[in-house]
Amino acid sequence: DAKTTQPPSMDCAEGRAANLPCNHSTISGNEYVYWYRQIHSQGPQYIIHGLKNNETNEMASLIITEDRKSSTLILPHATLRDTAVYYCIVRVYPQTSYDKVIFGPGTSLSVIP
Amino acid sequence: DGGITQSPKYLFRKEGQNVTLSCEQNLNHDAMYWYRQDPGQGLRLIYYSQIVNDFQKGDIAEGYSVSREKKESFPLTVTSAQKNPTAFYLCASSIITGFNQPQHFGDGTRLSIL
Repeated sequence: DAKTTQPPSMDCAEGRAANLPCNHSTISGNEYVYWYRQIHSQGPQYIIHGLKNNETNEMASLIITEDRKSSTLILPHATLRDTAVYYCIVRVYPQTSYDKVIFGPGTSLSVIP
Repeated sequence: DGGITQSPKYLFRKEGQNVTLSCEQNLNHDAMYWYRQDPGQGLRLIYYSQIVNDFQKGDIAEGYSVSREKKESFPLTVTSAQKNPTAFYLCASSIITGFNQPQHFGDGTRLSIL
């Protein structure tokens, strides 16, 4: 699976949009981009995933560049409950016999009142 | 509401004792997973199961055991052979492995040694 790079931390004012970047310059054509978040002492929560088209759901929007080398997760109106560590990962149809999730350090997002 | 339930939320183990962590899902997912998360680190896969009565070792299976007698249940036993069991244990499930479906996680069990 391709490696991802995220800033270690970000701040966002409550009510404003939070834009979390992720670089995945070695992504291959059959790899999807996934975003999860983990609030302290809780399990990771799936947010959204996409291949090449922009995606939107009730939680967030995912913008993937045309060359697919980077993406941005957008939380349109951040609240204090969005304070968490956000993980960007890429996953391919598994070449091995199982399908584990590998998290990097992620981005620690702090939403400020 | 559908989801994954892990219990207990906190668990304490005495030296030489086996303990079992519960994981139940009502999402009708085929695949289930156990991960371990240490402070400030990512996830490491312990065991996974794709169907009932079948499971496979992950990257750090030594000192752990599992069973999958029912589709909705995947309990993890931390045996006395696991010398460093203090960690946050996460159970996950997905529809079918290998079809780019997201894994959904429970809220974890925090295991500590007395």
